[in-house]
Amino acid sequence: GDSVTQMEGPVTLSEEAFLTINCTYTATGYPSLFWYVQYPGEGLQLLLKATKADDKGSNKGFEATYRKETTSFHLEKGSVQVSDSAVYFCALSVDTGGFKTIFGAGTRLFVKA
Amino acid sequence: NAGVTQTPKFRVLKTGQSMTLLCAQDMNHEYMYWYRQDPGMGLRLIHYSVGEGTTAKGEVPDGYNVSRLKKQNFLLGLESAAPSQTSVYFCASRNGEEGQPQHFGDGTRLSIL
Repeated sequence: GDSVTQMEGPVTLSEEAFLTINCTYTATGYPSLFWYVQYPGEGLQLLLKATKADDKGSNKGFEATYRKETTSFHLEKGSVQVSDSAVYFCALSVDTGGFKTIFGAGTRLFVKA
Repeated sequence: NAGVTQTPKFRVLKTGQSMTLLCAQDMNHEYMYWYRQDPGMGLRLIHYSVGEGTTAKGEVPDGYNVSRLKKQNFLLGLESAAPSQTSVYFCASRNGEEGQPQHFGDGTRLSIL
């Protein structure tokens, strides 16, 4: 079945460091890929998305490229801030009649000042 | 915009008690979902609905029931609460266009003693 695997956390970085969170997926068909972010006490919110191969999603300095050949959608940011501390979820969605979304386990990021 | 609203935000129950969690969305979305979030396990789909009057089982439906009598509301019921149902419950909705994200509420934190 469809699945998403993302790197385990927590990831601890100093402010202004480079961030990479790896995400790979398994899916039949042509999924849309998403990164969601969850701040403490809140629900998930969309960070960025890509809907077809080689698309690059970007938002708030974060980027991820849909790589069909490696079935990956790694999240990157060139210079993290303390305010980026949160849990990040990689996810895929396919139209199986219910537009169900498969989520990775989440990666917690701590950014130190 | 209210988006997706979940009530209550917190609840403590005793084993065997029943309760209903309410989810309301004001975006005219066709699809609605209930998830539970447990440490280290990401989000697991409990039930979902593809439209008013329809419901379907997700990954972990046992012990839960749902109803979608109105398009904007999706109710999750626990008939006889068990300690294993202690979790954070999230509701989400989306429209029927491909590549669109889910929109989440802020969650209900439920403890079963």
